[in-house]
Amino acid sequence: GENVEQHPSTLSVQEGDSAVIKCTYSDSASNYFPWYKQELGKRPQLIIDIRSNVGEKKDQRIAVTLNKTAKHFSLHITETQPEDSAVYFCAARTTYNQGGKLIFGQGTELSVKP
Amino acid sequence: DTEVTQTPKHLVMGMTNKKSLKCEQHMGHRAMYWYKQKAKKPPELMFVYSYEKLSINESVPSRFSPECPNSSLLNLHLHALQPEDSALYLCASSPLVGEKLFFGSGTQLSVL
Repeated sequence: GENVEQHPSTLSVQEGDSAVIKCTYSDSASNYFPWYKQELGKRPQLIIDIRSNVGEKKDQRIAVTLNKTAKHFSLHITETQPEDSAVYFCAARTTYNQGGKLIFGQGTELSVKP
Repeated sequence: DTEVTQTPKHLVMGMTNKKSLKCEQHMGHRAMYWYKQKAKKPPELMFVYSYEKLSINESVPSRFSPECPNSSLLNLHLHALQPEDSALYLCASSPLVGEKLFFGSGTQLSVL
């Protein structure tokens, strides 16, 4: 079945710097890759997603890149702000035959220092 | 309405109690999910309902019993839980299985 690895587990940056979180997946048939942000005590919220027919997607300060050949995708946050501090989870969707489930990475705790 | 609503927000129960968690969405989504989450860990899938039918049970112990009374409601019945079942229980919905997940704010459960 699908397996998703996420690195780093913790990341500390200065306000205004960029942050990059990387994920690798094992099943080349996976075709949908969302990113969720979870602030302390709150629900996970979808911040950006990408499908396998696209290499890059951007939304203001957030971008996601996908390398299907290498089976990895990354989240890029530019001009970080203290409110970006949260735990970020990547995920990959399994095939329909496997139930179309989202398999989550282990999470990255991002801390943005003012 | 673009929210998934969960009640209660907090629940403390003894190991012999029976309680239920409730979830509601009015986005017309046909897939609904229960997840369990420990602090700073990823959500763990428990159950998936598609068109009100149970489509995935991730080998969850029978002390957790899901129910989908209609396309907007999802319940999780709890009975004879163990202290290790203490966690945040998240409900989620998506237009169809495998599509964008919308999470509720969760029920923080403590089993004493």
